[in-house]
Amino acid sequence: ETGVTQSPTHLIKTRGQQVTLRCSSQSGHNTVSWYQQALGQGPQFIFQYYREEENGRGNFPPRFSGLQFPNYSSELNVNALELDDSALYLCASSTDSFNEKLFFGSGTQLSVL
Amino acid sequence: TQLLEQSPQFLSIQEGENLTVYCNSSSVFSSLQWYRQEPGEGPVLLVTVVTGGEVKKLKRLTFQFGDARKDSSLHITAAQPGDTGLYLCAGAFEDDKIIFGKGTRLHILP
Repeated sequence: ETGVTQSPTHLIKTRGQQVTLRCSSQSGHNTVSWYQQALGQGPQFIFQYYREEENGRGNFPPRFSGLQFPNYSSELNVNALELDDSALYLCASSTDSFNEKLFFGSGTQLSVL
Repeated sequence: TQLLEQSPQFLSIQEGENLTVYCNSSSVFSSLQWYRQEPGEGPVLLVTVVTGGEVKKLKRLTFQFGDARKDSSLHITAAQPGDTGLYLCAGAFEDDKIIFGKGTRLHILP
């Protein structure tokens, strides 16, 4: 059974740039949720994709967008990067939007300079 | 606003001691989860509690869900250095959103 994998592991960008983060869900899982974890904080829900459609969104601006592909892998895109976007971005997969069992990847550490 | 408060924020104790960390909200959860996160890794699910008053044990860890499903506690018996990490509680609400607390950073001294 393949776990959740995220790429890249680390990324450095400058303010105003755009970034794409990638996530491969665990085998058999059709739901992907994205979280932002700032230093010293708990993960904050960005949005969830279920069967290629957005299925819930947290309090993040429209410059945070996503996609889910037919194989259930997912991308998180962030436009017009701001310094406060520096954080660990976590992807979690689950089955049928069943949020009681989330399996997390190791995250992408994004630094915006 | 749905908020989860965890206490204490930081805890440093000697190996062999017992400890309890807490997770509280003014809202009712449909279920509550506890995760442990180590540096450079994503959170790993420890347990899910669903029923008010439910108690679950995982070796030296005991998880309790409050009767009103608004709070939870995690008790660790005879803490070991391997228990060191960030302990996160996450509540699921009726709208299926999962909200995480800020976590309790636990450090066990050998």
